[in-house]
Amino acid sequence: QVQLVESGGGVVQPGRSLRLSCAASGFTFSGSGIHWVRQAPGKGLEWVSLISSDGSLEYYADSVKGRFTTSRDNSKSTLYLQMNSLRAEDTAVYYCVRDHSTRVVRGVITQWGYFDCWGQGTLVTVSS
Amino acid sequence: QSALTQPASVSGSPGQSITISCTGTSSDVGGYNYVSWYQQHPGKAPKLMIYDVNNRPSGVSNRFSGSKSGNTASLTISGLQAEDEADYYCSSYTGSSTLAVFGTGTKVTVL
Repeated sequence: QVQLVESGGGVVQPGRSLRLSCAASGFTFSGSGIHWVRQAPGKGLEWVSLISSDGSLEYYADSVKGRFTTSRDNSKSTLYLQMNSLRAEDTAVYYCVRDHSTRVVRGVITQWGYFDCWGQGTLVTVSS
Repeated sequence: QSALTQPASVSGSPGQSITISCTGTSSDVGGYNYVSWYQQHPGKAPKLMIYDVNNRPSGVSNRFSGSKSGNTASLTISGLQAEDEADYYCSSYTGSSTLAVFGTGTKVTVL
């Protein structure tokens, strides 16, 4: 069955960096775009980023652009989220989520899909 | 990009039907048929319930249905059951640099 397992969360001081990983199994990882979605404690969901199936295209929410970078190693079926210059408002559970049906043509999204399989999440706490 | 607006809570008795609204703008909900809904039980990851406004993934009960009118999407749960008690979130494509936006979330209580 499809599995996404996040790791790398923890407590980090403001301004520092952290890298999350997401190990995938049960599907053809190299054939799927993958999102990061986060949820602050007791709050709603927030889309963070999308990386295309081959890793050539990345998209970010305005709230993290320039600070977060998503990447992937298809040979290891693993997704990464490098988070720099962390702020208190980045405190959240971070989910990696498989994309279904989003299509991109020459960098332009021509069809938006949906978030069809979610990992269990990893908690990142930014605090001094 | 502002979060889509959902009622904070909705409740109903077992067997009843309830509807959760999700209001956005012409730049998100009203502009695309890319609305999806997610169910989240406490301490668990969200689960896809509806995609593309009114489509159910395999394995999701037909008691769940979706619709859209203008800038407002809706999720209806018919024949309410105890297991439906959870938080529900809508989501829409935005076409902007922040590609997707979620709703504020609705807590469904089964009385």
